[in-house]
Amino acid sequence: DAKTTQPPSMDCAEGRAANLPCNHSTISGNEYVYWYRQIHSQGPQYIIHGLKNNETNEMASLIITEDRKSSTLILPHATLRDTAVYYCIVLNNAGNMLTFGGGTRLMVKP
Amino acid sequence: DTGVSQNPRHKITKRGQNVTFRCDPISEHNRLYWYRQTLGQGPEFLTYFQNEAQLEKSRLLSDRFSAERPKGSFSTLEIQRTEQGDSAMYLCASSLSGGVKTQYFGPGTRLLVL
Repeated sequence: DAKTTQPPSMDCAEGRAANLPCNHSTISGNEYVYWYRQIHSQGPQYIIHGLKNNETNEMASLIITEDRKSSTLILPHATLRDTAVYYCIVLNNAGNMLTFGGGTRLMVKP
Repeated sequence: DTGVSQNPRHKITKRGQNVTFRCDPISEHNRLYWYRQTLGQGPEFLTYFQNEAQLEKSRLLSDRFSAERPKGSFSTLEIQRTEQGDSAMYLCASSLSGGVKTQYFGPGTRLLVL
């Protein structure tokens, strides 16, 4: 499965949009982009996933570039409860193990 | 609550003791995964089951670790002769085996070996 690169940390003001980037330049055509987050001392929480098209759900939006080599997770109105480590993971649908990298530690500040 | 549940949430044990953790997956999910997470690191895959069959094991799963899923529903992870290096959060996840296999995680069991 393709490796991903994320900035180690980011800050965001409460109420503003948080845009978390992820590079996955070696992604294959059948590999999905998944986003999870982990709030301190809790299990990872699934956020969203996509293959080619942009996706939106009640938690976030996922924007995937046309060449699929990078993506951005958007939290439209960040709250203090969104402070967490966000993981971008690439996985093909036959894959069974999620490989977590370092993630991005998002700090939402009042 | 119909999510993944894990018990106990916390366990403190002495080195050399055996411990067992339980995971109850989302009821319609036939895949169940175990991960381990040490402080400051992301979760690492240990093993997974499809129904009652254990289909893959990581090299991290030493011979002191054994996982079972006897009836294809809940699973147990046992660590024998615990070592201080086993101190970690043990996470369980479940998914469907068809379609997009999104994994949903439980809250984890935090193990401290003294």
